[in-house]
Amino acid sequence: GEDVEQSLFLSVREGDSSVINCTYTDSSSTYLYWYKQEPGAGLQLLTYIFSNMDMKQDQRLTVLLNKKDKHLSLRIADTQTGDSAIYFCAESVTNAGKSTFGDGTTLTVKP
Amino acid sequence: DTGVSQDPRHKITKRGQNVTFRCDPISEHNRLYWYRQTLGQGPEFLTYFQNEAQLEKSRLLSDRFSAERPKGSFSTLEIQRTEQGDSAMYLCASSLESAGQYFGPGTRLTVT
Repeated sequence: GEDVEQSLFLSVREGDSSVINCTYTDSSSTYLYWYKQEPGAGLQLLTYIFSNMDMKQDQRLTVLLNKKDKHLSLRIADTQTGDSAIYFCAESVTNAGKSTFGDGTTLTVKP
Repeated sequence: DTGVSQDPRHKITKRGQNVTFRCDPISEHNRLYWYRQTLGQGPEFLTYFQNEAQLEKSRLLSDRFSAERPKGSFSTLEIQRTEQGDSAMYLCASSLESAGQYFGPGTRLTVT
């Protein structure tokens, strides 16, 4: 079945870049997503990438996809304390239907 | 605010009782999803509606769980004969044609 794996924790200093990594197993994954969850809140869609792309940039966020290795990363440039949150990687086969989520990476940004 | 809303935000119930949660999606969204999230884990898919039709249901959804979306707008999730293992955050999300889902704040269920 589908599986999505992420490292659990990442700590960076304010102003540095953060890179959060994710691997997935389903070769038919077509859409790959990054969500952000702050304490006590629901998930916020940050960005997504189609499997026929290898990079997508959106302001401070850069998503890299290595489809051969089934590896996805999220780079946050100039990380701020407000970026401290849990980041979830997710995949789906279509743009409808279920998404399968990883267990999240807790990003801590130190001043 | 026109985001996804869920009611109640918190529910404490005794084991064996029935509970019902409501989700109001973003108004023009035709797709609605229910997920369950426990501490330290990502959301787990429960079920999905397109308009009023329930198109997909997880094996996680036992016979005690039922979801409806009667007019293709709001949805309800009912859990009958609650068990302590049902304690979790229940998340609702909605989407339109584009990829990605928009999540509500969740309903936190505690079964004592």
